[in-house]
Amino acid sequence: QVQLQESGPGLVKPSETLSLTCSVSGDSVSSGSYYWSWIRQPPGKGLEWIGYIYYSGSTNYNPSLKSRVTISVDTSKNHFSLKLSSVTAADTAVYSCARWHPRDGMDVWGQGTTVTVSS
Amino acid sequence: QSVLTQPPSVSGAPGQRVTISCTGSSSNIGAGYHVHWYQLLPGTAPKLLIYGDSSRPSGVPDRFFGTKSGASASLAITGLQAEDEADYYCQSYDSSLSAVVFGGGTKLTVL
Repeated sequence: QVQLQESGPGLVKPSETLSLTCSVSGDSVSSGSYYWSWIRQPPGKGLEWIGYIYYSGSTNYNPSLKSRVTISVDTSKNHFSLKLSSVTAADTAVYSCARWHPRDGMDVWGQGTTVTVSS
Repeated sequence: QSVLTQPPSVSGAPGQRVTISCTGSSSNIGAGYHVHWYQLLPGTAPKLLIYGDSSRPSGVPDRFFGTKSGASASLAITGLQAEDEADYYCQSYDSSLSAVVFGGGTKLTVL
């Protein structure tokens, strides 16, 4: 059974960098079968795709966030990470990681973690 | 403004059939990229409901049905049940943006 689990600080100060990690069990981030993704949902709003990373290290980011986002993968620890810089209150959201395939959709999701940007 | 357009809300009585539309364009759904549907219940992780336009993952009841035609897709739910009350999102890929895109979401109310 594949499971994803997000971890990281629940509170980040404005202008600082948000850092989250998604730990993967039951699958390997280096399998080459999936794109490992980050998605967020601000309070009262819809789902927003942040970006994904492939096992090779190639990445693709939401154009609206591209200048602030970095997604990386650590195959030795079987996890992938998100960094979002220069955060503001608008970045307050539930952040989730998911396993995605263009044909099969996002079939496995983490439970999500709430990140609040506030001083 | 989402790249994929969904109605903000739909409603139906128990036992009825409802449909949620997802309208895209020639750079996403119309270009042949697959459409996937997700169900969001409060406090729980999103659940993949339909993948590859019309396929159901194991465990998803056959009351949920996905279709795609041209640049649009639809999710139909038959035999509506109280437990179906949730938010539903469509998702595809857009070649112009080179990005994964979601619809704005539709809140289903079971009357």
